[in-house]
Amino acid sequence: KAGVTQTPRYLIKTRGQQVTLSCSPISGHRSVSWYQQTPGQGLQFLFEYFSETQRNKGNFPGRFSGRQFSNSRSEMNVSTLELGDSALYLCASSQQGGGTPSTDTQYFGPGTRLTVL
Amino acid sequence: GQQLNQSPQSMFIQEGEDVSMNCTSSSIFNTWLWYKQDPGEGPVLLIALYKAGELTSNGRLTAQFGITRKDSFLNISASIPSDVGIYFCAGQSQAGTALIFGKGTTLSVSS
Repeated sequence: KAGVTQTPRYLIKTRGQQVTLSCSPISGHRSVSWYQQTPGQGLQFLFEYFSETQRNKGNFPGRFSGRQFSNSRSEMNVSTLELGDSALYLCASSQQGGGTPSTDTQYFGPGTRLTVL
Repeated sequence: GQQLNQSPQSMFIQEGEDVSMNCTSSSIFNTWLWYKQDPGEGPVLLIALYKAGELTSNGRLTAQFGITRKDSFLNISASIPSDVGIYFCAGQSQAGTALIFGKGTTLSVSS
């Protein structure tokens, strides 16, 4: 089975712009979660989608949004970029999401490195 | 946001030595996970623990889910150079909720 894929792998934007990141989960996985990783804050949860619905949301401003499509692929969008948004954005998928713990185990993609200038 | 207390922050060891790292939390978790991350890549799952007291091995790696559900440890035996990387613990309070991560343990192995 192919793993979680994320595109693009690297992105450079300037302040004020917006960006869209894409994530394709492992085949058969229905839950997709997004995390932001920075040297200062570590790995922080952004939001989780299951069956095209956002089920959980972390403590991030409304500039961060996401969606999930019927094929479980997910996108996240960051509007009005700030310098502090520079980070590695990680997507993780799990088989069921909310079911038994083992089927809820999250597998990560390689991430998208976003640099805001 | 909430984070786990992971220690040590970094370790410098000789090839062949054993390594131990742990995570503690003020909250109870129903799942503990250990991931390894190489530079520029996403975290790779090493071991998943689902029951308090559970001891699980994956090759030279052994991890345990603490009885109190508030801690977990990871041991690496007979370290080799490819063990170099950052190791993260993650806890999950219940299925379907967000993972809470430790700050990571950076492991360096000299041959």
